Amino acid sequence: GESVGLHLPTLSVQEGDNSIINCAYSNSASDYFIWYKQESGKGPQFIIDIRSNMDKRQGQRVTVLLNKTVKHLSLQIAATQPGDSAVYFCAENTGGFKTIFGAGTRLFVKA
Amino acid sequence: ETGVTQSPTHLIKTRGQQVTLRCSSQSGHNTVSWYQQALGQGPQFIFQYYREEENGRGNFPPRFSGLQFPNYSSELNVNALELDDSALYLCASSFGDPGANVLTFGAGSRLTVL
Repeated sequence: GESVGLHLPTLSVQEGDNSIINCAYSNSASDYFIWYKQESGKGPQFIIDIRSNMDKRQGQRVTVLLNKTVKHLSLQIAATQPGDSAVYFCAENTGGFKTIFGAGTRLFVKA
Repeated sequence: ETGVTQSPTHLIKTRGQQVTLRCSSQSGHNTVSWYQQALGQGPQFIFQYYREEENGRGNFPPRFSGLQFPNYSSELNVNALELDDSALYLCASSFGDPGANVLTFGAGSRLTVL
């Protein structure tokens, strides 16, 4: 498959550890935030979302935290597995037609 | 339920040529968005189609154009290709009025311009 994210910020974690991926967003009017995962040769895949009236949301092994004061978003992955290796994008939406993606972070999981 | 499918998966063109990329939406989805993803970068929004009309556009020149058909499938056309148009082109579908909705992406069409 093709390779994406050759020059992206990289996070390397040991299998079984927790991962935290951070993202700073730009638009204070954004009210909807989404994390996507992109594996090699595939399109981005939805992981979890959060609206601006919340500061935390949990899914299966993933948690998203939103700090609107400093315009910061984070994705926490519990008990990271080799299958979690991918590029992770945060995305923001102001309620309109346009979803804006960040630059991405490449997560490496060491066995 | 089928996902988003795109064709072709890979293609090579030369500068000045024209290209058409195709996308079939996920079943039940009525909105299609197109993104350009250069190597090592996040997807950049090109435009969105809803009810067969362009609903919004990113910072791309008019030589990038599109269509949406009654069955919600879509095409992306790029005229007068330039070297910088080399990228992965992603189609994403969603359901409902355009807005804050989860996007379902296809695997993309990799375009190389020589």
